[in-house]
Amino acid sequence: QVQLQESGPGLVKPSETLSLTCSVSGGSIDNYYWSWIRQPPGKGLEWIGWIYYNGITNYNPSLKSRVTLSIDTSRNQFSLKLSSVTAADTAVYYCARYGLGSQKYFDYWGQGTLATVSS
Amino acid sequence: QSALTQPASVSGSPGQSITISCTGTRSDVGGHNYVSWYQQHPGKAPKLMIYDVSYRPSGVSDRFSGSKSDNTASLTVSGLQADDEADYYCFSFSSSITYVFGTGTKVTVL
Repeated sequence: QVQLQESGPGLVKPSETLSLTCSVSGGSIDNYYWSWIRQPPGKGLEWIGWIYYNGITNYNPSLKSRVTLSIDTSRNQFSLKLSSVTAADTAVYYCARYGLGSQKYFDYWGQGTLATVSS
Repeated sequence: QSALTQPASVSGSPGQSITISCTGTRSDVGGHNYVSWYQQHPGKAPKLMIYDVSYRPSGVSDRFSGSKSDNTASLTVSGLQADDEADYYCFSFSSSITYVFGTGTKVTVL
């Protein structure tokens, strides 16, 4: 059973960089797209971007200028960096697996981690 | 890219059926059979309920079913139960290679 676990600081100061890591267990990180999705308090889901195991990325155009995804296949981990954060970036951040080919859905999700932007 | 449009709320009594719509465009919902639905209980991660418009993952109750017509996908929950009370989100692959979720629907069991 594939499991994902987010980790990282819960509090980030405005204008700084939010950094989160997702650890994948119970399966290989190879041959899937690995995504970040966020949910502001009381609001809906927003796709941030995905990274393929070979490092190819795709970002939400609305966040592209501030987002960097990276992957470490040797550690079965992938990471999110979101720069120049403001209060609007306060959200629960989820990592999730997105399939290849015809598997165009998110089948495994982490439990989510709340990142609060505040001084 | 705009979010897919869902009703803000839907309600029903135990045992009844409800249907949640998800309206997009020909670039997303109407152009592919890659619509999925997610159930989210408060404080929990979303859970995949339907994929490829109408397929259920292993372990998901057959009370949940999906369909699509033109640019609108639908999720039907039959035999409504208390535990079905949750938020539901649709999602569609898009030919623009960006990914959009629906606006979300709160289901209330009366």
